[in-house]
Amino acid sequence: DAKTTQPNSMESNEEEPVHLPCNHSTISGTDYIHWYRQLPSQGPEYVIHGLTSNVNNRMASLAIAEDRKSSTLILHRATLRDAAVYYCIPGGLNAGGTSYGKLTFGQGTILTVHP
Amino acid sequence: NAGVMQNPRHLVRRRGQEARLRCSPMKGHSHVYWYRQLPEEGLKFMVYLQKENIIDESGMPKERFSAEFPKEGPSILRIQQVVRGDSAAYFCASSLLITNTDTQYFGPGTRLTVL
Repeated sequence: DAKTTQPNSMESNEEEPVHLPCNHSTISGTDYIHWYRQLPSQGPEYVIHGLTSNVNNRMASLAIAEDRKSSTLILHRATLRDAAVYYCIPGGLNAGGTSYGKLTFGQGTILTVHP
Repeated sequence: NAGVMQNPRHLVRRRGQEARLRCSPMKGHSHVYWYRQLPEEGLKFMVYLQKENIIDESGMPKERFSAEFPKEGPSILRIQQVVRGDSAAYFCASSLLITNTDTQYFGPGTRLTVL
């Protein structure tokens, strides 16, 4: 599994943009970059994923560096409900060539949103 | 479409008792994963199952823990002779496909407390 590095914590004000960085310098060529988040006392939920191109959905945007060694999750207007732990998870084919979706969670980034 | 369901949401057991945690995947999903989150720690993969098969149990403790996903009915994570160190939140996830892009949908978790 590719190793990831994320800031332990970040803070934002409500309705401001938030950029959550992730370094994944050992990512393999077939690994997608997945982002999940875990709100307090809840199970994780999917946010977004991408391979090489920047991606947008209704929740967030994902900017992927050209060398794929880092990515940034962008919340365009943070709300109080976005306060969560955000996990960056490279994932893809395992060494045997059989793909399966085991997620390896790191420590993540604790995002605090101030009113 | 109902999400992933887990029950019970909270479970209290005394040391030495058995704990049974149930997970009903999303409709149409045949891939189930169990994860454990110890207090103040991150989420750790435990086991991946398909219907009637254990595909990867590399994260399961060697003793006292077992999992099944029968042809009919929910997936069960069983912990025999529980100890205080088993106190944790146990999350189940399901997915439709197994690819490096597929999304895992998580349940709300079962919080096990061992007295």
